[in-house]
Amino acid sequence: EIVMTQSPSTLSVSPGERATLSCRASQSVSNNLAWYQQKPGQAPRLLIYGASTRATGIPARFSGSGSGTGFTLTISSLQSEDFAVYSCQQYNDWPQTFGQGTKVEIK
Amino acid sequence: DVQLVESGGGLVKPGGSLRVSCAASGFTFSPYVMNWVRQAPGQGLEWVASISGSSTYIYYADSVKGRFTISRDNAKNSLYLQMNSLRAEDTALYYCARESELAGLFDFWGQGTPVTVSS
Repeated sequence: EIVMTQSPSTLSVSPGERATLSCRASQSVSNNLAWYQQKPGQAPRLLIYGASTRATGIPARFSGSGSGTGFTLTISSLQSEDFAVYSCQQYNDWPQTFGQGTKVEIK
Repeated sequence: DVQLVESGGGLVKPGGSLRVSCAASGFTFSPYVMNWVRQAPGQGLEWVASISGSSTYIYYADSVKGRFTISRDNAKNSLYLQMNSLRAEDTALYYCARESELAGLFDFWGQGTPVTVSS
């Protein structure tokens, strides 16, 4: 199965700053890559699919890029509600697999 | 609004059984592929099982095959996961997730129900 590796494990960022998260696949997943946001006690939320398409209702400060094996999620100006865990997922091959997550915390 | 609400989690001894449920609302349940995804403490998300709208197609992760059974009742807008022969490594938060029109992409999730396997 395809292994998804995220870096860094933890990212400390000040409110208003940019956050850049990385996700790497062990083999090409084309652009079949999604990003999810997780907060304690809440349902995971789909942010990005197709590597760069924002899901319905997702603010424009979230953007995704990349294809093949390397992907990036950028949050252009962190708001208080954006401090959370972000996970990438490939859905190109079965079984779909997830990265271990990047925690974005307040600096 | 789409809502998925899991229930039935709890503490169970190794070798025991448990059934978790997911109640769906806010959308037409029957056409959608539904999934269970779990997250062990401090770990990433792991897909567990999926079931097609008519229950014709069912798939499992190797880690649970032969021990877990996914099912659904479209008349009750409900999804189930029967877990048998539970092991400590099955301890996790179990999420119900709706699959979008793109196979393998999960567009809505529940908040999860915790399952702890411990003696």
